[in-house]
Amino acid sequence: DQQVKQNSPSLSVQEGRISILNCDYTNSMFDYFLWYKKYPAEGPTFLISISSIKDKNEDGRFTVFLNKSAKHLSLHIVPSQPGDSAVYFCAASAALSGAGSYQLTFGKGTKLSVIP
Amino acid sequence: KAGVTQTPRYLIKTRGQQVTLSCSPISGHRSVSWYQQTPGQGLQFLFEYFSETQRNKGNFPGRFSGRQFSNSRSEMNVSTLELGDSALYLCASSRDRGQYYGYTFGSGTRLTVV
Repeated sequence: DQQVKQNSPSLSVQEGRISILNCDYTNSMFDYFLWYKKYPAEGPTFLISISSIKDKNEDGRFTVFLNKSAKHLSLHIVPSQPGDSAVYFCAASAALSGAGSYQLTFGKGTKLSVIP
Repeated sequence: KAGVTQTPRYLIKTRGQQVTLSCSPISGHRSVSWYQQTPGQGLQFLFEYFSETQRNKGNFPGRFSGRQFSNSRSEMNVSTLELGDSALYLCASSRDRGQYYGYTFGSGTRLTVV
């Protein structure tokens, strides 16, 4: 049972345009959502997160939108740059009750290619 | 500041052997988590350690184990290796509220079981 889904394995966007990466989830207990970027042969790099009590969070060119009723979130990158070409992972965090621990559940990633 | 350091970067082992992977977190980070990445399953949570205690464990067999030392460095061990254990093993560290500030990942250890 895949609790976090990224239905688009790949996305191509022209440089300067907007990139929109989508993510759906099924578990209502998720309380934080995070986006990571991964280059080949490197570990994932944290980009931005959003709490389940918010519907938008911005950080520079990156904006994450959360629609709780639809259990959907998206990452917008504006403007897209060739250096943004990477695999983007959506992740969701849920607290393990009583243990103070959180674990991340990842989607399978979307490969973004920004064409110069 | 130094990032999360994982050693070794690459490993080749034979079926049935055991392996130990090491992770040094960012200074001041007390939480260390381990993830397995495979092409078919993606990134899957293995376990998390905090102050030398395992706080959380994913759905992996008992052949996968770990520990954390007093300096927050962590090791994970896989015994009786199987071909399906071939994967990229990633370690992530965080301070409190890692779900907000983001977990910092190392570059991983690429394990190949032959």
